[in-house]
Amino acid sequence: AQTVTQSQPEMSVQEAETVTLSCTYDTSESDYYLFWYKQPPSRQMILVIRQEAYKQQNATENRFSVNFQKAAKSFSLKISDSQLGDAAMYFCAYGKAAGNKLTFGGGTRVLVKP
Amino acid sequence: DAGITQSPRHKVTETGTPVTLRCHQTENHRYMYWYRQDPGHGLRLIHYSYGVKDTDKGEVSDGYSVSRSKTEDFLLTLESATSSQTSVYFCAISEGGHVGEQYFGPGTRLTVT
Repeated sequence: AQTVTQSQPEMSVQEAETVTLSCTYDTSESDYYLFWYKQPPSRQMILVIRQEAYKQQNATENRFSVNFQKAAKSFSLKISDSQLGDAAMYFCAYGKAAGNKLTFGGGTRVLVKP
Repeated sequence: DAGITQSPRHKVTETGTPVTLRCHQTENHRYMYWYRQDPGHGLRLIHYSYGVKDTDKGEVSDGYSVSRSKTEDFLLTLESATSSQTSVYFCAISEGGHVGEQYFGPGTRLTVT
């Protein structure tokens, strides 16, 4: 079974600074997807970014970017120019291609200091 | 935003009573999922559906059953609620196939006393 590990329960960042969240996963598949979801205090789960394993180029969405290291099975999220609205729980998730199920990590809480 | 609603949004119930949570979508997506969220565990899959009347178990299915009689509705039932089922429950939908990502409803906070 696939496992997803987020080793940082909580990270703190100063407003306008950069923070990087770690995620590692375990799989024997070669084709899969990785995601980062954000959960603000409203509890709504929001898709932040998506990476396909067969693409070597790292995904980027505005101030959010990933560092995908397939051989190391690592998928970190970088939040640049942090804003107060970035304060939330962030979940890393793995999905096997055409498998239609996601496995989530335990989450990292991001605190943004003004 | 994906059209996903959950009802009720909050519920308090007593141990031993049956509880049904409803998920409704307007996106006509094939796949629907029920997760529970507990501190330190992220989201864990309870059951999912890959079509009308087609369902399968997730990793924490004991004590839960599901039904899907229409594309748009996916019901989660706790036949006899226990305190260990106190949690936040999320419904999600997906087009499936090589799309991958899932879209989530607003969640239901269930407290079993």
